[in-house]
Amino acid sequence: SAVISQKPSRDICQRGTSLTIQCQVDSQVTMMFWYRQQPGQSLTLIATANQGSEATYESGFVIDKFPISRPNLTFSTLTVSNMSPEDSSIYLCSVDWGGEQYFGPGTRLTVT
Amino acid sequence: EDQVTQSPEALRLQEGESSSLNCSYTVSGLRGLFWYRQDPGKGPEFLFTLYSAGEEKEKERLKATLTKKESFLHITAPKPEDSATYLCAVHPSKTSYDKVIFGPGTSLSVIP
Repeated sequence: SAVISQKPSRDICQRGTSLTIQCQVDSQVTMMFWYRQQPGQSLTLIATANQGSEATYESGFVIDKFPISRPNLTFSTLTVSNMSPEDSSIYLCSVDWGGEQYFGPGTRLTVT
Repeated sequence: EDQVTQSPEALRLQEGESSSLNCSYTVSGLRGLFWYRQDPGKGPEFLFTLYSAGEEKEKERLKATLTKKESFLHITAPKPEDSATYLCAVHPSKTSYDKVIFGPGTSLSVIP
């Protein structure tokens, strides 16, 4: 299985600011995914990130709000821009490894 | 529309009291069904992948089964450390990339 780390593990941010979340994988992977998990809810896919191409965003998520970078096969970032309290969630990075998805520990974001 | 539902929403068991969690899905074609365990404040932990009706997978006190419309996660003689949220996810075959759709989860509490 792939081992995934995320930074930061948690943060408290003010309304209107931006936060960049980093995701590092211990192996090279083609596809990386970013999910959001709002309090008490299940996971919602934000976007899929392939190295060397634009990320593919799911309905309801736009690049201006959630810009993603994928500079190489082991690293990706997700930025949450112009934050509001509604963005308070856990943000999770995941990778496909042999047809199975593995997840990082998540970043718990609180927007005040 | 592809959809995944899980029942019950929450389940409280006495230690040693066996039970089953249900995952029902509606997809145009199934490439795979996944079970995850999620502890509070952590990312989902991969448990099983099932690919075809009739398939079964086992791990310690857990056994996952799959039919054409649903999957069951059987928990035999559970222990308090089995307390967690169990998530089901499906990978529809019509998607051109490895997107999975998550159900809402079942929160399991095992009381000593």
